[in-house]
Amino acid sequence: QLQLQESGPGLVKPSETLSLSCNVSGGFINSSSNYWGWIRQPPGKGLEWIGRIHYSGNTYYNPSLKSRVTISVDTSQNQFSLKLTSVTAADTAVYYCARLRQASGQRLVDSWGQGTLVTVSS
Amino acid sequence: DIEMTQSPDSLAVSLGERATINCKSSQSVLSSSNNKNYLAWYQQKPGQPPKLLIYWASTRESGVPDRFSGSGSGTDFTLTISSLQAEDVAVYYCQQYYSTLLYTFGQGTRLQI
Repeated sequence: QLQLQESGPGLVKPSETLSLSCNVSGGFINSSSNYWGWIRQPPGKGLEWIGRIHYSGNTYYNPSLKSRVTISVDTSQNQFSLKLTSVTAADTAVYYCARLRQASGQRLVDSWGQGTLVTVSS
Repeated sequence: DIEMTQSPDSLAVSLGERATINCKSSQSVLSSSNNKNYLAWYQQKPGQPPKLLIYWASTRESGVPDRFSGSGSGTDFTLTISSLQAEDVAVYYCQQYYSTLLYTFGQGTRLQI
């Protein structure tokens, strides 16, 4: 049974960098058929894509966040990470990591972590 | 970007009755190469991550009760719950996975009893 678990600081100061990791268990992050992604949800609001990564390093980022986002993979630790720079209060959200499985040339989110709340505040 | 618009924003349905949620995409998510609609539905209960219910617009994920069904093609899609149960209270999201650059979600529909 695949499990994903987010970890990282719950409080980040404005203008600083948000850093989260997602530990993958019950499966291998270097599976060629999967991508691994980050999605966020501001309190009481809807879901927003941040980006996704293949273990080979291929990435896709939300254009609205691209200048501030980096997603990376560490196959030795079976985990992937998110860095979001120059954060503001608008980046306060629950951050989910997720697996995306193969779906006829695209990818489909089929597993989610429980999510971690990150608050941006001084 | 492909914009996804759901209607209504919220919905109240009696137990045992049918619930219908609509989703419209700003451009077609039907692939001409394989005739598949790259449209998924997710259910999110309070305090939980979303759960995949339906993909390819109408294929139920393993373990999803058959009271959940999806339909539609191109730009217009529907999620139907045939007989509402108490445990179906949740927010439902549609999502397109057609556009390689960015997979986008609808704004969500809150379903209540």
